[in-house]
Amino acid sequence: DTGVSQDPRHKITKRGQNVTFRCDPISEHNRLYWYRQTLGQGPEFLTYFQNEAQLEKSRLLSDRFSAERPKGSFSTLEIQRTEQGDSAMYLCASSLVSGGPLNTEAFFGQGTRLTVV
Amino acid sequence: ELKVEQNPLFLSMQEGKNYTIYCNYSTTSDRLYWYRQDPGKSLESLFVLLSNGAVKQEGRLMASLDTKARLSTLHITAAVHDLSATYFCAVDIPPGTYKYIFGTGTRLKVLA
Repeated sequence: DTGVSQDPRHKITKRGQNVTFRCDPISEHNRLYWYRQTLGQGPEFLTYFQNEAQLEKSRLLSDRFSAERPKGSFSTLEIQRTEQGDSAMYLCASSLVSGGPLNTEAFFGQGTRLTVV
Repeated sequence: ELKVEQNPLFLSMQEGKNYTIYCNYSTTSDRLYWYRQDPGKSLESLFVLLSNGAVKQEGRLMASLDTKARLSTLHITAAVHDLSATYFCAVDIPPGTYKYIFGTGTRLKVLA
């Protein structure tokens, strides 16, 4: 396993278009997180899953954003009707939370850089 | 609202010098994480601090946690150019969820 994988790495889209990003976590990890990072800022939490259940969504996640993890493995993040303010790096991370000594911190993917023009 | 603040925000230092980055957080937590980010890249886990008084060292970096003061430090010893990056601390709320609130980041530049 080579770590958390995200696709695409870069996406340029016109305002108003829909975009979808994919994240493949580390295979044995049960938790998957999405963050957004704008230039010069720290990542901001968007949402996270335990297996296929979405446990929490940040208030940053407007109605135009939706995330899924249908089989508890990969996840998708869709942004509908993109706006220029959506331009950012979207980071995915995964961790193992089992309540025991095998728990790991979150490991991050390389991110998808979205530019809305 | 939980706040995680780092200081300084920018740090330019000469090779061979020592310096400390500070991370203050506003909630009760006994866990803190440090990550490194190179420009245009993702975040690399550096340290996981899981209790009051925890100290971890890796190469020229040493991290510590004082949960009573709600303060973590990242100390750089004899800096080298390869340490140039942005360093983030993070607290996970609730603890153990790895759902992070990140600090503002400290952009470190080590001059040859």
